[in-house]
Amino acid sequence: DTGVSQDPRHKITKRGQNVTFRCDPISEHNRLYWYRQTLGQGPEFLTYFQNEAQLEKSRLLSDRFSAERPKGSFSTLEIQRTEQGDSAMYLCASSRAGLVKNEQFFGPGTRLTVL
Amino acid sequence: GENVEQHPSTLSVQEGDSAVIKCTYSDSASNYFPWYKQELGKRPQLIIDIRSNVGEKKDQRIAVTLNKTAKHFSLHITETQPEDSAVYFCAASFSGGYQKVTFGTGTKLQVIP
Repeated sequence: DTGVSQDPRHKITKRGQNVTFRCDPISEHNRLYWYRQTLGQGPEFLTYFQNEAQLEKSRLLSDRFSAERPKGSFSTLEIQRTEQGDSAMYLCASSRAGLVKNEQFFGPGTRLTVL
Repeated sequence: GENVEQHPSTLSVQEGDSAVIKCTYSDSASNYFPWYKQELGKRPQLIIDIRSNVGEKKDQRIAVTLNKTAKHFSLHITETQPEDSAVYFCAASFSGGYQKVTFGTGTKLQVIP
């Protein structure tokens, strides 16, 4: 499968625990995005990487959230001290810089449930 | 920042009828407008897009129109089929810089056989 992959697909955790999600973008894509999607809403931008550099973080991303892309390939999103309000689908997308059309290819998402 | 509004939130049409979804955006710098389709439990997928130097684009039964002056754009689906049932998201982006995409809140389209 040459598309964007995410792991795990589902995560159930107790409030206060830390969780980490992984995203593997399409191999030739140097741009990587994290979004959060709650029921009935469109994806909300969280953060963006170009290669290994994190170039923007949304105000939605509190200090409990951290994202990395250490070698410019896969990325991780960590949530510390999870809260029930963190329950959502976390989507990763990737694209390639330099193209006129910025088509972002989405992964299947990680559904987080905080009990 | 950019704000994208989308209407209606739900839409039911009879199979074979047309469906129209409308969006407005706030940032006049936005110049790329993709539309994504998300089936239940699946990832969003790009179905059509339009750039600001074009007023209309068509791909088989799907068309998108853009009015830059009014800052609104629309998705038109003709001859709807049951497999068109899904949630549709419009989005706006500026193709300079890193092309952050701002999504609308989605339209749940139901095509009744």
